[in-house]
Amino acid sequence: EVQLAESGGDLVQPGGSLRLSCAASGFGFSIYSMNWVRQAPGEGPEWVSYISSSGKTIHYADSVKGRFTISRDNAKNSLYLQMDSLRAEDTAVYYCARDLGSGTSPLAQNYWGQGTLVTVSS
Amino acid sequence: SNDLTQPPSVSVSPGQTARITCSGDKLRNEYASWYQQKPGQSPVLVVFQDTKRPSGIPERFSGSNSGNTATLTISGTQPMDEADYYCQAWDTSTASYVFGPGTKLTVL
Repeated sequence: EVQLAESGGDLVQPGGSLRLSCAASGFGFSIYSMNWVRQAPGEGPEWVSYISSSGKTIHYADSVKGRFTISRDNAKNSLYLQMDSLRAEDTAVYYCARDLGSGTSPLAQNYWGQGTLVTVSS
Repeated sequence: SNDLTQPPSVSVSPGQTARITCSGDKLRNEYASWYQQKPGQSPVLVVFQDTKRPSGIPERFSGSNSGNTATLTISGTQPMDEADYYCQAWDTSTASYVFGPGTKLTVL
């Protein structure tokens, strides 16, 4: 069974940093591209970042470019999101989601974790 | 600005057919995907590459894409289908996924 378990969400002050982790199990993590998607309270999902299976191809939403960094450790079956210079508008539930596409061709997200809440507030 | 547009709400009677549209110029050249989200739950992919259904998704869910409009069709809608539905596309020009604003489906 595919499982994705996010962790690391917390209350952080504006301008602060946070690192999210996603532990994957039940599938060959190293052969799938992965994504981070967030959802602010009462809003729809917003895609944040994509990383290919090898980690060589990375994409970011304009709203987080230059502040967030996605990475993965295939040996540890883990996905990460380093979030710096956090703003109030980054407050959301952050989901780790497996991409259907292989290689460097994004397609859709067919498995999602339960999410971890990030709150940016003073 | 959101490049994909969806109606805020759609209502349907049980057993009838629900159609949810998603419009945007990028849909002329990109595939559409659809997600179902129930309150307090993570999104679930119900259609990808315009017309394909992931394993485990009931056959009553189908998709189409013509011109600049993608459509999610739910045939024989059941009360359990009441949820928010979001369309999504990969925008090759900006190398980013875009979600539509969502449609609340009410089954009454």
